[in-house]
Amino acid sequence: GAGVSQSPSNKVTEKGKDVELRCDPISGHTALYWYRQSLGQGLEFLIYFQGNSAPDKSGLPSDRFSAERTGGSVSTLTIQRTQQEDSAVYLCASSLARQGVGYTFGSGTRLTVV
Amino acid sequence: AQRVTQPEKLLSVFKGAPVELKCNYSYSGSPELFWYVQYSRQRLQLLLRHISRESIKGFTADLNKGETSFHLKKPFAQEEDSAMYYCALLFSGGYNKLIFGAGTRLAVHP
Repeated sequence: GAGVSQSPSNKVTEKGKDVELRCDPISGHTALYWYRQSLGQGLEFLIYFQGNSAPDKSGLPSDRFSAERTGGSVSTLTIQRTQQEDSAVYLCASSLARQGVGYTFGSGTRLTVV
Repeated sequence: AQRVTQPEKLLSVFKGAPVELKCNYSYSGSPELFWYVQYSRQRLQLLLRHISRESIKGFTADLNKGETSFHLKKPFAQEEDSAMYYCALLFSGGYNKLIFGAGTRLAVHP
């Protein structure tokens, strides 16, 4: 597609439920990133996929968070047993392998855990 | 450790006033720095990058390695500049990923 697409745009879930967030990157972009945007916290790096390399999971805050990228394209971020502190906007971005041109961000998924 | 610091959460100015959004970084390698902007109800988007030495929407940013800073400046702020601004450092230690600061909200008043 023309841009990075994320779904759903909004998600309200009950504490303890699992959620899946989807990201469809720009065609041809081999790198895909997930960030979390919380009020006053800026953008927190979560995970990075680059081609067929092992992902950089160093930013995942706990083992309740996981992500996969199938076929080098679409990615799914899964949060198990959601907690209220997971409430945030989850942003996906993609880029070409070499970073000099920066990222293209999706519009994000606003997750609210009640 | 690599880190990006934006010391101001909010910067409030009047239209026509000069603006400087501060950004300091900590990185042992050769830094590659960016400014991203998020206007209300819009996606986060790239504003400028230091390697291009460009001016976008009247904004410029100079990398000062001695002071480890990459402040964003504009001589005359406009109301449409009101937005959230994020400074970012490319960390290329094995993986290429952007490390962002906490962001500064710029509010330009008429």
